[in-house]
Amino acid sequence: QQQVKQSPQSLIVQKGGISIINCAYENTAFDYFPWYQQFPGKGPALLIAIRPDVSEKKEGRFTISFNKSAKQFSLHIMDSQPGDSATYFCAAEWSGSRLTFGEGTQLTVNP
Amino acid sequence: DAGVIQSPRHEVTEMGQEVTLRCKPISGHNSLFWYRQTMMRGLELLIYFNNNVPIDDSGMPEDRFSAKMPNASFSTLKIQPSEPRDSAVYFCASSRDRPNTGELFFGEGSRLTVL
Repeated sequence: QQQVKQSPQSLIVQKGGISIINCAYENTAFDYFPWYQQFPGKGPALLIAIRPDVSEKKEGRFTISFNKSAKQFSLHIMDSQPGDSATYFCAAEWSGSRLTFGEGTQLTVNP
Repeated sequence: DAGVIQSPRHEVTEMGQEVTLRCKPISGHNSLFWYRQTMMRGLELLIYFNNNVPIDDSGMPEDRFSAKMPNASFSTLKIQPSEPRDSAVYFCASSRDRPNTGELFFGEGSRLTVL
C-alpha cells in the first residue's frame, strides 16, 4: 500500500507551545521519511527528513521521532511561533525518489 | 539560482477546453515529477520522469491527461478536454537522482479552475 496516514487534519497551538503531528505507514519498502512545509500560494519545501534506522532527528526546534516497529513517525515543533503557521506534510520515499504524501496538517500558532 | 519555474500561475478555462501547463526544472536535476493538490485528495503523484523518460505514469487519472518532457529543461502537462473535476493546483518538482534524500524542489504551482 503506497499510503501514508497523517493526523490531525488541523491543529491550533499557542505561541511557545509544542506542536505534534503524527503519521503512519504500511509499506516496508519506504526507505526515507521527509517532512514538508507549505505556505499559502507556495509549493511544499523540505523541512527535515529521517532514515528508518534512526529513531530521532533534531534540527533546531524541529524533531522527527521514528518508530520502525510500529511504522509510525511524528514531527514535534518546540516553542511554536506564529511564523510556523503553515500546512505540514509527512511523506515516504520509495523507488527512485518518488514521494507519497500524507493528507496534510494545517497548523495555526496563535500569538 | 532559479528554482522550478511553472506557468501559468493561474488558469481559468471552460469545460472542454485544452489546458497546457509548463515546467522548467532546476538546471542539473534529472528527475521531474508532476503532482496534483486538492483538498479532497491531498498531493497526488501524477507522473515521474527520469532523464526525460517517463518512468511511472500510473497516477495519471485518465487518457485526457498527457505529459511530455522533450528535453532536460522543459516539461508539459496537458489536459484535453478539461472537466470541472480537474480543478486543482498542479505542481512540478525536480530533483537530482539521489535516492534517500527525500528532497524534491517544488515550483509555486499552477492553479487551474475549470468552469
